[in-house]
Amino acid sequence: DTGVSQDPRHKITKRGQNVTFRCDPISEHNRLYWYRQTLGQGPEFLTYFQNEAQLEKSRLLSDRFSAERPKGSFSTLEIQRTEQGDSAMYLCASSLAGSGRDNEQFFGPGTRLTVL
Amino acid sequence: AQKITQTQPGMFVQEKEAVTLDCTYDTSDPSYGLFWYKQPSSGEMIFLIYQGSYDQQNATEGRYSLNFQKARKSANLVISASQLGDSAMYFCAMREAYNAGNMLTFGGGTRLMVKP
Repeated sequence: DTGVSQDPRHKITKRGQNVTFRCDPISEHNRLYWYRQTLGQGPEFLTYFQNEAQLEKSRLLSDRFSAERPKGSFSTLEIQRTEQGDSAMYLCASSLAGSGRDNEQFFGPGTRLTVL
Repeated sequence: AQKITQTQPGMFVQEKEAVTLDCTYDTSDPSYGLFWYKQPSSGEMIFLIYQGSYDQQNATEGRYSLNFQKARKSANLVISASQLGDSAMYFCAMREAYNAGNMLTFGGGTRLMVKP
């Protein structure tokens, strides 16, 4: 399978715990995005990387959130001291900058986080 | 102000009939792109169709077409010959050119239910 993959698919944690999610983009894609989707809403942008550089972060990304893409391939999103309001689906997407499809983003299956 | 508005929370359509899902957008950027994604219950966002702001013709992809009315700032998705597998959430999204990272802004979605 050459699509975007995310791990884990589901995570249940207790309030105050730290969690880390992983995203593996399509191999030749140089851009990687994280979005958050709460129940009944559309996805909201969190942050994006071009290669290993994190170029933009949304105001939604509080200090408890950190993302990395150390070698310009896979990315991790860590949430520290989780709160119930962090419960959501976390979606990862990747794209190839400058490609003919105007930077079409390919999404992974998401990680559903439930904070008890 | 909402950048992407989808006014239909839910829609029913009879199998084999056509259906139109509404999307209006708000931007002052002359260069932008509009996307439609399908999200089945499994959670993955599936790209359906793209329309660039300078495209002269309405985009089509198989059974999907985009009714782009630039002056009215609307980008409605038309699905012809609905199938049971079309039942899903549908999201309209926009990318603005000033936004160097090409991140997407999504609407709230429309749940489409296809009746046999």
